Amino acid sequence: DAKTTQPNSMESNEEEPVHLPCNHSTISGTDYIHWYRQLPSQGPEYVIHGLTSNVNNRMASLAIAEDRKSSTLILHRATLRDAAVYYCILSLTNSGYALNFGKGTSLLVTP
Amino acid sequence: ETGVTQSPTHLIKTRGQQVTLRCSSQSGHNTVSWYQQALGQGPQFIFQYYREEENGRGNFPPRFSGLQFPNYSSELNVNALELDDSALYLCASSLWRGAAGYTFGSGTRLTVV
Repeated sequence: DAKTTQPNSMESNEEEPVHLPCNHSTISGTDYIHWYRQLPSQGPEYVIHGLTSNVNNRMASLAIAEDRKSSTLILHRATLRDAAVYYCILSLTNSGYALNFGKGTSLLVTP
Repeated sequence: ETGVTQSPTHLIKTRGQQVTLRCSSQSGHNTVSWYQQALGQGPQFIFQYYREEENGRGNFPPRFSGLQFPNYSSELNVNALELDDSALYLCASSLWRGAAGYTFGSGTRLTVV
């Protein structure tokens, strides 16, 4: 199964945009790219997912490279409540498309 | 719509004992998956059930087993508990292949002493 690579941590100022990068150079043609985030003492929360085209929802935007070997999660205006661990995830195609979590990026948002 | 509910929230067991964790899936979801999350690590996939059949399994020994019931709720059973089984156990429900995303519960914190 393909894996993802993310920076261990990033820091952002409140009310500024945040770009969280993810590399997935071994992605297959049918793999969706998922993003989840996890706040302390909570289960992971769905953020966004996409296949080839850029995606937008009320929480964030997902920009996918043309070759699909990398993607970027964009939080348009970071708030203190966005401080969390962000996971970029590919599916386990041989295991019912369950989520193959890595270590994620810990995002610190400062006032 | 209701979310995913897990019980109990916390549990302390002795090494060698058996434990059962429970999960009620979100209304309308037919797939349930279980994950183990050690402190400071990302969740690790244990197994997944789709319409009462196991359709995927991670790298966990057979003493980790499960069930999915006709109402799509699920159980995770762990036999012969080891100290390393201490972790947060997360349940997630979804439609097939995670269409529209997975909804996670808040987890069960298991401590093995």
